[in-house]
Amino acid sequence: AQTVTQSQPEMSVQEAETVTLSCTYDTSESDYYLFWYKQPPSRQMILVIRQEAYKQQNATENRFSVNFQKAAKSFSLKISDSQLGDAAMYFCAYSLPMEYGNKLVFGAGTILRVKS
Amino acid sequence: DAGVTQSPTHLIKTRGQQVTLRCSPKSGHDTVSWYQQALGQGPQFIFQYYEEEERQRGNFPDRFSGHQFPNYSSELNVNALLLGDSALYLCASTKTTSTKNIQYFGAGTRLSVL
Repeated sequence: AQTVTQSQPEMSVQEAETVTLSCTYDTSESDYYLFWYKQPPSRQMILVIRQEAYKQQNATENRFSVNFQKAAKSFSLKISDSQLGDAAMYFCAYSLPMEYGNKLVFGAGTILRVKS
Repeated sequence: DAGVTQSPTHLIKTRGQQVTLRCSPKSGHDTVSWYQQALGQGPQFIFQYYEEEERQRGNFPDRFSGHQFPNYSSELNVNALLLGDSALYLCASTKTTSTKNIQYFGAGTRLSVL
């Protein structure tokens, strides 16, 4: 069974600084997807960034980028120029392609606090 | 373009009762998944519906059942409620033919079982 582990229950970052959130996963599959979702106090789960496992190039979305190490089964999220609005719970998640059933397997989450 | 909508926002029930939660997927989406998120934890997959059939199911008892309607909206039913069923219930939708494989979430229904 696939598992996702987030070893940092809580992280803090100063506004405008950079922070990296860690995630490791376990799977025997070669084709899969990895995601980072953000959940603010409003509860709505918002997609931050997505990575396809067969693509070696790391995904980037504005201030958000990932370091995807397939052999090490590691998928970290880097947030640059942190803003107060980045404060939230961040979840790392894994899924297989749609044709195999794309249920999301989530980690336990990391609370990110941003200090002004 | 409306996103995923869930109702009600908050619900209070007592042990042994039954509850129905509702979800309307994002426009153009045909697949709906349900997740249970206990306080301070990551969401756990309950089941997924496509073409009005349960396509995939997580490790949840038969007390948890669902339905998908021809307009792709979905319901989650929980019978014989237990205190441990208290959680945030999230609905997510996706388009089966999309290559992006992204699930979009609603704001959830907070269920409190007393």
